[in-house]
Amino acid sequence: GNSVTQMEGPVTLSEEAFLTINCTYTATGYPSLFWYVQYPGEGLQLLLKATKADDKGSNKGFEATYRKETTSFHLEKGSVQVSDSAVYFCALSEPPFYGGSQGNLIFGKGTKLSVKP
Amino acid sequence: DTGVSQDPRHKITKRGQNVTFRCDPISEHNRLYWYRQTLGQGPEFLTYFQNEAQLEKSRLLSDRFSAERPKGSFSTLEIQRTEQGDSAMYLCASSSGRGETQYFGPGTRLLVL
Repeated sequence: GNSVTQMEGPVTLSEEAFLTINCTYTATGYPSLFWYVQYPGEGLQLLLKATKADDKGSNKGFEATYRKETTSFHLEKGSVQVSDSAVYFCALSEPPFYGGSQGNLIFGKGTKLSVKP
Repeated sequence: DTGVSQDPRHKITKRGQNVTFRCDPISEHNRLYWYRQTLGQGPEFLTYFQNEAQLEKSRLLSDRFSAERPKGSFSTLEIQRTEQGDSAMYLCASSSGRGETQYFGPGTRLLVL
């Protein structure tokens, strides 16, 4: 079945450090890939997405590239800030043209990031 | 656009009681999803609606769980005869169509004593 595996946390970094959170997936077909972020006390927010191979999603200085050959969608940021402290979830959704697709998301377990000043 | 709202935000109940949660999606979003999130895990899909039609309910955790979206707008999720294992965060999300971005509400945190 479809699944998402992401690196376990917690991850603790100093401000301005480089961030990588690894995410790999298993899926039939060609899913869309997402990173969601959950700030303390808030709901899940879409951070970025990519819908096909080699697409790069980017937002707020974060980037992730859809790598079909390695079935990966690693999240990166060149210089993290204290305000980036949150839990990050990698997720996939089957594309609509695969019959019967519900569009529901399949999430990884989440990676907690703490950034220290 | 006021976002997805959920009510209540917190619910404490005793084992065996019934609980009902409400979700109001972003207006004009025709798809509505329910997920459950337990501590240390990612959200787990439960069910979804397209307008008022519930198109997938096999992932509901047991027959104690049911959901409705009677007029294609707000939705309710009911858990009957709650058990301690039902304690979790229940999340609602909506989207404007299949394959479109899902926007999540703040969730309802349920604690069953």
